[in-house]
Amino acid sequence: GAVVSQHPSRVICKSGTSVKIECRSLDFQATTMFWYRQFPKQSLMLMATSNEGSKATYEQGVEKDKFLINHASLTLSTLTVTSAHPEDSSFYICSAGDSSGNTIYFGEGSWLTVV
Amino acid sequence: AQSVAQPEDQVNVAEGNPLTVKCTYSVSGNPYLFWYVQYPNRGLQFLLKYITGDNLVKGSYGFEAEFNKSQTSFHLKKPSALVSDSALYFCAVRDTSGGSYIPTFGRGTSLIVHP
Repeated sequence: GAVVSQHPSRVICKSGTSVKIECRSLDFQATTMFWYRQFPKQSLMLMATSNEGSKATYEQGVEKDKFLINHASLTLSTLTVTSAHPEDSSFYICSAGDSSGNTIYFGEGSWLTVV
Repeated sequence: AQSVAQPEDQVNVAEGNPLTVKCTYSVSGNPYLFWYVQYPNRGLQFLLKYITGDNLVKGSYGFEAEFNKSQTSFHLKKPSALVSDSALYFCAVRDTSGGSYIPTFGRGTSLIVHP
């Protein structure tokens, strides 16, 4: 299957700072990538859909100015958590559709801890 | 509209016994159906999918799933469970009839295989 790489796998940052998470499709071009948030032992919460070359589409209740998404190329999307607070601590997962668009593959996820 | 239900939060099975993780769905048209597995602190791994064709789909790690249109189900099965199969399993559906290209995920089922 297609490979999606996510980096960093774990990051700790101080309150008030910003942190960037990268999501790369390694062996295919992804015009669309998805960003999810997952709380412990819970399902995935779709945060936004990242479209190459255009603005991301955010789900209801997700702050656009806090969770900045950039999809500058067909293989890279980034999520920047701005002015991070402890309540932003979570597991963030990206995914991308393969060339057929029929299957979505996930990155390994990034644990964010805000202290 | 598309939706998916995983009626069991947790499934317990003894090693060597067959396992079933249930999934039912609702779509307006025809479904694309997926199963993913998530190990602790990891992203989701694609297991298998049903797009069209044979109702019995075989996937990774010896798992299979059967598409049942009349019962709108897509249960995940394995003939002989391993302790290493213990993980969180997610079913997902995408409606192919003019609906969103974004799949909807179930809330997940925790599979525990006892030695």
